[in-house]
Amino acid sequence: SQQGEEDPQALSIQEGENATMNCSYKTSINNLQWYRQNSGRGLVHLILIRSNEREKHSGRLRVTLDTSKKSSSLLITASRAADTASYFCAAEETSGSRLTFGEGTQLTVNP
Amino acid sequence: KAGVTQTPRYLIKTRGQQVTLSCSPISGHRSVSWYQQTPGQGLQFLFEYFSETQRNKGNFPGRFSGRQFSNSRSEMNVSTLELGDSALYLCASSFEWRGSEQYFGPGTRLTVT
Repeated sequence: SQQGEEDPQALSIQEGENATMNCSYKTSINNLQWYRQNSGRGLVHLILIRSNEREKHSGRLRVTLDTSKKSSSLLITASRAADTASYFCAAEETSGSRLTFGEGTQLTVNP
Repeated sequence: KAGVTQTPRYLIKTRGQQVTLSCSPISGHRSVSWYQQTPGQGLQFLFEYFSETQRNKGNFPGRFSGRQFSNSRSEMNVSTLELGDSALYLCASSFEWRGSEQYFGPGTRLTVT
């Protein structure tokens, strides 16, 4: 399969809690990008982490990358109801700009 | 800057027909990629273009084709539509061929009846 894997497939938390999503991929990569999608709409770009980086922050988002384990994690701190969405990781292969997506994590933040 | 735009947003076609979808990248972006999203298969890569050249193609039948124009706008065409082609088709643009953030459009929802 060309798909990566995301864990968990679904996550339900209360507002104010932190949410952690994990992603694994199979190929050598230029970078790994995280996206959010609401109800079958377009993908919103959240953050990009390059293959030579180990950690990156953007607002309430923290992303880590472990190229030796071919895995990444996305942490959303102090979650809000508006964070409810599906989250996808996408690995950009070294052969070009082709993105290989994980299966996604459905995050539900309860008010 | 305006984001990635895709037209039309919704489309209903009949089996056997053909369809053309359009994507306008963010101004200054030269790379455009296309993806198909279905509940069963998830997000799958179709093809990517840079400077009017197809750089990579996914594992889809020859009924799926695309092109990129000199202004970086891109179109994809699906001929002889099948029920299984019903999906959300997403276009992404980036500044460089690789290594850049890829920004997605809102998608075209294609329904084949």
